[in-house]
Amino acid sequence: KNEVEQSPQNLTAQEGEFITINCSYSVGISALHWLQQHPGGGIVSLFMLSSGKKKHGRLIATINIQEKHSSLHITASHPRDSAVYICAVHDNNDMRFGAGTRLTVKP
Amino acid sequence: KAGVTQTPRYLIKTRGQQVTLSCSPISGHRSVSWYQQTPGQGLQFLFEYFSETQRNKGNFPGRFSGRQFSNSRSEMNVSTLELGDSALYLCASSGQGGMNTEAFFGQGTRLTVV
Repeated sequence: KNEVEQSPQNLTAQEGEFITINCSYSVGISALHWLQQHPGGGIVSLFMLSSGKKKHGRLIATINIQEKHSSLHITASHPRDSAVYICAVHDNNDMRFGAGTRLTVKP
Repeated sequence: KAGVTQTPRYLIKTRGQQVTLSCSPISGHRSVSWYQQTPGQGLQFLFEYFSETQRNKGNFPGRFSGRQFSNSRSEMNVSTLELGDSALYLCASSGQGGMNTEAFFGQGTRLTVV
């Protein structure tokens, strides 16, 4: 069993829909990252969380340390949000990654 | 502020050769982390350097090594290349807190081993 599980693996939405991507992990962590990867490989760090909730524009990330779970929400989704979203956890010595969620937003 | 720069962007090497990849972090950042991304294994952490010292290391064989210079630029070396080393190699730079702070990624070096 992968130590970082993301769901869903693939997600197709219509423009304007509210989107949620989930990440569950089984190890103790010091930080959790949400990353966005566009075709071509470039990765952008969206959030770094160690507790609570963060918001940036239409993106919201939450983490529940007790339940070892994090969610990434996208409000009013747009075709330019189409990308792979990756959850990564830092456990002081290592960084472990989820397999990613491929999001396609159709106009 | 210039971003993270990785060179070269693309590289083709023959099995058995060695390769060196370079990463220049954002000015002022002292932490540089390296990652390998393959279709089969996804993203995997290689190692992190901070102030010229390897601070964290993932589960990769000794053929994968790195170093960091006094200007924080980092190099990654892979010796005795294998076909399975074909991957996108990414580096990320961070501030004082290392991997517990926001990471800024380079565009990556796509290595093909033939």
